[in-house]
Amino acid sequence: DTAVSQTPKYLVTQMGNDKSIKCEQNLGHDTMYWYKQDSKKFLKIMFSYNNKELIINETVPNRFSPKSPDKAHLNLHINSLELGDSAVYFCASSQDRRGNEQYFGPGTRLTVT
Amino acid sequence: GESVGLHLPTLSVQEGDNSIINCAYSNSASDYFIWYKQESGKGPQFIIDIRSNMDKRQGQRVTVLLNKTVKHLSLQIAATQPGDSAVYFCAENGGGKLIFGQGTELSVKP
Repeated sequence: DTAVSQTPKYLVTQMGNDKSIKCEQNLGHDTMYWYKQDSKKFLKIMFSYNNKELIINETVPNRFSPKSPDKAHLNLHINSLELGDSAVYFCASSQDRRGNEQYFGPGTRLTVT
Repeated sequence: GESVGLHLPTLSVQEGDNSIINCAYSNSASDYFIWYKQESGKGPQFIIDIRSNMDKRQGQRVTVLLNKTVKHLSLQIAATQPGDSAVYFCAENGGGKLIFGQGTELSVKP
């Protein structure tokens, strides 16, 4: 009964490639998020969608494009991958756009070589 | 700017002792705070939260204390167990998004 799931768990790719990470939540939440965790374990929000509408867009390069086909899914597409994109990406969800009590997925470890 | 920080990056305790993890926040307008536990290779796991209209909240073996006067948050874990070993994060809700602190690594010695 995974509440927030992500695929893939690991992603190894070369610079310049385009890749996608998928996220699904079965909690019935309205709001979903993408976070990036760097090598020092610092967690920072990237995007937030509320019922398929983008509500938070931090200063993230345009190469990152989130997409929410429905409120249970939030995907992250990354174009022209760079070495600095290597990190663990977490998806999360919350009941509503207030953003309290967020539940996180298991993470996707992206390694760009 | 907005930030949430932790006083100690690492904490080592003996099994059975109580643990206290501290956190400072800077946004006095934040009205919600939360603690997460992150084990190696896993996502952050919700532990306990507290709203700004409270100064203490208890869960199972965990207590969160909020001191708004000095903008300080702490997580107390009673009778710490080896399974409590993890990185602990505090976060504040600054306008619909969680702002995380640096994290404290808790190590429990048997």
